[in-house]
This record gives sequence, C-alpha cells and structure tokens, in this order.
Amino acid sequence: DVKVTQSSRYLVKRTGEKVFLECVQDMDHENMFWYRQDPGLGLRLIYFSYDVKMKEKGDIPEGYSVSREKKERFSLILESASTNQTSMYLCASSFLGGTNEKLFFGSGTQLSVL
Amino acid sequence: DQQVKQNSPSLSVQEGRISILNCDYTNSMFDYFLWYKKYPAEGPTFLISISSIKDKNEDGRFTVFLNKSAKHLSLHIVPSQPGDSAVYFCAGYGGSQGNLIFGKGTKLSVKP
Repeated sequence: DVKVTQSSRYLVKRTGEKVFLECVQDMDHENMFWYRQDPGLGLRLIYFSYDVKMKEKGDIPEGYSVSREKKERFSLILESASTNQTSMYLCASSFLGGTNEKLFFGSGTQLSVL
Repeated sequence: DQQVKQNSPSLSVQEGRISILNCDYTNSMFDYFLWYKKYPAEGPTFLISISSIKDKNEDGRFTVFLNKSAKHLSLHIVPSQPGDSAVYFCAGYGGSQGNLIFGKGTKLSVKP
C-alpha cells in the first residue's frame, strides 16, 4: 500500500513564526502536491512538484514556499505564518505519466495560527 | 473560474436508500474523473474513477455515471450506510492541467 506520511497531525503556531510541514512518500512517486482544505472552499492546490528540485505554483501559492531535495520528501514552508493560514494541509503523491492520475493523500496536518 | 462544480454543499439520506451526488464540469479536455471520500481529520481516499470514453463504472455499492454531452457526472451509493457519511469530492484530470481539479465537496449524512 502507498503510504504518504505527514510529520504532524496538529500544530499550533504564533503569527510571524516560520512553519515547516513535512511529507514523505514511500512509493517512489514522481509527483507530489500540497493542498489546503477549508470549509466551503474544497481542496485548493498550493504547490506541486514533478521531480527533485522542481516546483510549480498551484492556485494559491502566496505566502508559501516548498522544497524538494529528495524524491520522497516534499516540504511546505510558511515563511511568516498568518491567521488566515489556519487550515487543514494535505500532502499527496502520484505517478508521473499514469493514465489515471490517482492521488494518494496523507492524513493531513491541522494547523492553527494564533 | 470553477472548472469542477459540486452545487450541493450537503445531502442527507436515510440508511438503506440511494445517495446521489452530482458534479458538473466545464473543461471538455478532462480525460478522467475521480471521486474521493474524506472523513474529518483524515486525508481524502480514492473511491472510484471513470474514463471519459465510458459512461458508467461500477464498484460494489458505488456507481459513477458520466454524461459528456451535459458535462455532468454523478455518484450513486446503493444502499447507503451510516459509514458512508463523509465529504465527497469530485475531480477532473486531463488536457493541459497536469493535476487534478477538485470540486468544493458535498457533505453526505446517512441517518440510521
């Protein structure tokens, strides 16, 4: 079974702090993604990556950056956390070039910024 | 511009009856459509998919129907069970997007 592991289930941070959210997948997937989920807004794509050291902006990249130094690991960085970044963050991975782009999600990190 | 729309934020159904969740899309380049199920405090899990060359795909209690001319798909759950209570996301993939495009989700409540 594919396993996508997010380092924390719950995080509480203060406004202005730098926040790192870590994600590791064990299926040698090329593609990795970061989404946030907010009530009434669904799943919104923040950033994604098709390869090591490669990144692409999603729909809402402002206030975020990412790092992909190794194939299995994709980190989301909040340079200076703000209260409007309180959300459920979901990491996902998939194969590149598959005929069916099925995403495998981690369990999510519920981030609260106070 | 919302390419995938789930116009019903919530749906309530009695146990044993049919649940029908609807999804509309605007991007005619989508090759595949997928449904994900999400419980609170968990990540979404893949439920069922359908290729754009088909009009129906069935997996146990779950059936997805695709009407390309209407750019509409629906997920049928028969019979509905209380454990089906979750948020269901519809997603489309294909064309130049390079990633899944999700709808906003429909919260299904199945009452015993």
